[in-house]
Amino acid sequence: KNQVEQSPQSLIILEGKNCTLQCNYTVSPFSNLRWYKQDTGRGPVSLTIMTFSENTKSNGRYTATLDADTKQSSLHITASQLSDSASYICVVSTGTYKYIFGTGTRLKVLA
Amino acid sequence: SQTIHQWPATLVQPVGSPLSLECTVEGTSNPNLYWYRQAAGRGLQLLFYSVGIGQISSEVPQNLSASRPQDRQFILSSKKLLLSDSGFYLCAWSASGSGEQFFGPGTRLTVL
Repeated sequence: KNQVEQSPQSLIILEGKNCTLQCNYTVSPFSNLRWYKQDTGRGPVSLTIMTFSENTKSNGRYTATLDADTKQSSLHITASQLSDSASYICVVSTGTYKYIFGTGTRLKVLA
Repeated sequence: SQTIHQWPATLVQPVGSPLSLECTVEGTSNPNLYWYRQAAGRGLQLLFYSVGIGQISSEVPQNLSASRPQDRQFILSSKKLLLSDSGFYLCAWSASGSGEQFFGPGTRLTVL
């Protein structure tokens, strides 16, 4: 069964601190993996995309890593800001209109 | 640039009433279109996707149906809503079957 699991479910950090979110997947076939940011009550917005051959991808303060052997990905947020408070969703594409979504990590950044 | 619209933003409907949610995309041709439902604390569940006009694929058996009457219009419908239909409905489009998905602002549906 295709599945994407994320941890932790929720996280609270202080502004300026770093954090790392985890994503484990069992999806076949694998086409690519994306991290999305979803603000409350809004649609998700893509942060990064990684294909099978990519190990790391950065987008500003967001850095995603992918280990295709262990089927794990992480999203590292550096120097967090209040605006980073959101849900972060890991999504794996099978390449045929099928996107498997994780349940997300809810991040809250406190001043 | 491409934009995606969804309406209404919020909807409160009684059980047994009909439903029609609309999604339109601008600035692109022949997009792949998707309807998702997001229940509280759960991941997005794919309801329908469409690769062209009149072509609808359903992922899960349910009380809902979808139609694509025009290239950039996707409609989610129900003849009789159930309590379990409550949720946050998101429309999305992509240029390919594995490409980045762009999501609309969503519709919060509450069935009472």
